[in-house]
Amino acid sequence: AQSVTQLDSQVPVFEEAPVELRCNYSSSVSVYLFWYVQYPNQGLQLLLKYLSGSTLVESINGFEAEFNKSQTSFHLRKPSVHISDTAEYFCAVSSRRDNFNKFYFGSGTKLNVKP
Amino acid sequence: DVKVTQSSRYLVKRTGEKVFLECVQDMDHENMFWYRQDPGLGLRLIYFSYDVKMKEKGDIPEGYSVSREKKERFSLILESASTNQTSMYLCASILGQGRNQPQHFGDGTRLSIL
Repeated sequence: AQSVTQLDSQVPVFEEAPVELRCNYSSSVSVYLFWYVQYPNQGLQLLLKYLSGSTLVESINGFEAEFNKSQTSFHLRKPSVHISDTAEYFCAVSSRRDNFNKFYFGSGTKLNVKP
Repeated sequence: DVKVTQSSRYLVKRTGEKVFLECVQDMDHENMFWYRQDPGLGLRLIYFSYDVKMKEKGDIPEGYSVSREKKERFSLILESASTNQTSMYLCASILGQGRNQPQHFGDGTRLSIL
C-alpha cells in the first residue's frame, strides 16, 4: 500500500514571497504523483502531475514540483505567491500497478497568503 | 472537460435517517470513488466502483453502502445516519484504462447529521 505525508498542516506566507509545500510518500512500487488544489467550498482541482520523464513538472499558474525518487518526495514550490493562491493543497499518489486507479491522499496543507 | 456533478452542495439530515448522495459523470469513466474529507485527515476512501454493479470497499466503509446501476451514476448510501458521519463527501471518477490519468472531482456535498 501507499501512504502520503504532508508535514505542514498550515503555511502562512506574505504575498510575493516564495513558498514550498512538502510531500513525502511511501510505496514499494513505482508511482504516479499529483498535486491538487481546493478552494473554499469547492472540490479538488488538478494542479500538476508527474507520470514519467522530466522530474520537474510545472502548472499553468506558476507552481512547480520536483520528483525526487531517492528521497521519495514531491515538493510543491512557487517563487512568488499571490493572494489568490490561498487554498488547501493535497498531494496524492497512485501505484503504477493498481488496476483500479486508487489514489492515496495526504492530509492537506492550508496555504494562507497575507497581503 | 470532464464534469462530475454531485446532486447537493449542502444537506441536513437527522440521526437514523437513510441518506442518499448522488454523483453523475459525463465522460464515460469506468471507475468512480466516494471519499469523505475531514479536517486534518485529508481524503479517506469509502467505496469505489470499477464497473456497473461492481463495487469494492475502501478504507472506511462501515456505515455506508453504494449503488452503481448505470455507468454514469454512483450513489453513496448512509443506511442509518449518525452524527459522526457529518462531513464533506467528495465523488471522483477516472478512466479505467490507462493508469496515468488524474481523478476528476465533483464540488462536494457538505452533510450535517443532527
